[in-house]
Amino acid sequence: GAVVSQHPSWVICKSGTSVKIECRSLDFQATTMFWYRQFPKQSLMLMATSNEGSKATYEQGVEKDKFLINHASLTLSTLTVTSAHPEDSSFYICSARGLGGTNEKLFFGSGTQLSVL
Amino acid sequence: GENVEQHPSTLSVQEGDSAVIKCTYSDSASNYFPWYKQELGKRPQLIIDIRSNVGEKKDQRIAVTLNKTAKHFSLHITETQPEDSAVYFCAASSNFGNEKLTFGTGTRLTIIP
Repeated sequence: GAVVSQHPSWVICKSGTSVKIECRSLDFQATTMFWYRQFPKQSLMLMATSNEGSKATYEQGVEKDKFLINHASLTLSTLTVTSAHPEDSSFYICSARGLGGTNEKLFFGSGTQLSVL
Repeated sequence: GENVEQHPSTLSVQEGDSAVIKCTYSDSASNYFPWYKQELGKRPQLIIDIRSNVGEKKDQRIAVTLNKTAKHFSLHITETQPEDSAVYFCAASSNFGNEKLTFGTGTRLTIIP
């Protein structure tokens, strides 16, 4: 299957700092990428849909100024958690949808565990 | 919007027995239903999916059934093995998956050796 790389896999930061998470589709072009947040023992909650070359679409309740998403190319989307606070600590996972043969199937990144002190 | 409910939240079965996980969805426009397996701290992996134009799909020990009328679909794992232990998520999407996925709440499956 297609490969989605996510970096970093874990990060610890001080409260008030910003953290950038990268999501790359390694062997296919992804016009759409999705960003999810997952709390321990809970489901994946969609935060936003990232479309290449256009503004991201945020789900209700997700602050777009706090969670900045950039999808500048067909293989890279970034999520920046600005002015992080302890309540932002969570597991963030991206996913990408390929074109052609991979069509509707989503492939997930390996996730980023964010801990804000 | 779509709402997906999943049951049970935890399930323990003896190795070799079958496991069944059930999901219901609310949006009749949903027509794509994937199942993901997630091991602790790892990414969700697609294990099987089904479109609304079929009622059942099987891949070795894993099968999924869909009842469009009742708006529910189920995952069946036969001859369970210890490596099947994980959290399983169902999901639903419209436009055959070209729209966003809505996930169920997950089922923690434990296979007892």
